[in-house]
Amino acid sequence: DTAVSQTPKYLVTQMGNDKSIKCEQNLGHDTMYWYKQDSKKFLKIMFSYNNKELIINETVPNRFSPKSPDKAHLNLHINSLELGDSAVYFCASSQSLQLSGNTIYFGEGSWLTVV
Amino acid sequence: GNSVTQMEGPVTLSEEAFLTINCTYTATGYPSLFWYVQYPGEGLQLLLKATKADDKGSNKGFEATYRKETTSFHLEKGSVQVSDSAVYFCALTPGSARQLTFGSGTQLTVLP
Repeated sequence: DTAVSQTPKYLVTQMGNDKSIKCEQNLGHDTMYWYKQDSKKFLKIMFSYNNKELIINETVPNRFSPKSPDKAHLNLHINSLELGDSAVYFCASSQSLQLSGNTIYFGEGSWLTVV
Repeated sequence: GNSVTQMEGPVTLSEEAFLTINCTYTATGYPSLFWYVQYPGEGLQLLLKATKADDKGSNKGFEATYRKETTSFHLEKGSVQVSDSAVYFCALTPGSARQLTFGSGTQLTVLP
């Protein structure tokens, strides 16, 4: 059983398109995240949600819109894709917002290429 | 602010060599410290963690000790294998923070 699963794993699309990446966790966690990994492998948080409530929104363009229909799902929708959006997007979850002593579990990543 | 500094890679070792990847941090409060590993074409996996000073995290032959006096959490392994080739990330979360802060990652290649 995959704890944090995200789809699709690979996505190639043209500039200007709109695309979504879906994420689900079966760990019973309250908190979910989206991280972006750039071409230099640098990881940076984009969003976090706790029980469907937006907690962190890290200066991400408003073309990126997360949606959490329930606490087990956090989807990422991207409008008007740009070349610079090409990256690996990681979904993650943790038991709660309080990370001291807790662990964040990551999905396998979604490789987005914008051409 | 909170930050993590890792030794720059890439690091290339021969099989059975000793590995050290340095990690130092700046944080408010008493952070928890983590090492994550990313194998080629895969996602991030938690390798080990330590939640308080002098704790030693260990897994798969890797170890790291939380050193508050030197604000460090260096990753070590006594004898690396080809299968250890991956990118290793040091990360922290201070007690009050709601996110992980990552280092820049260190690419390790182990040659047979």
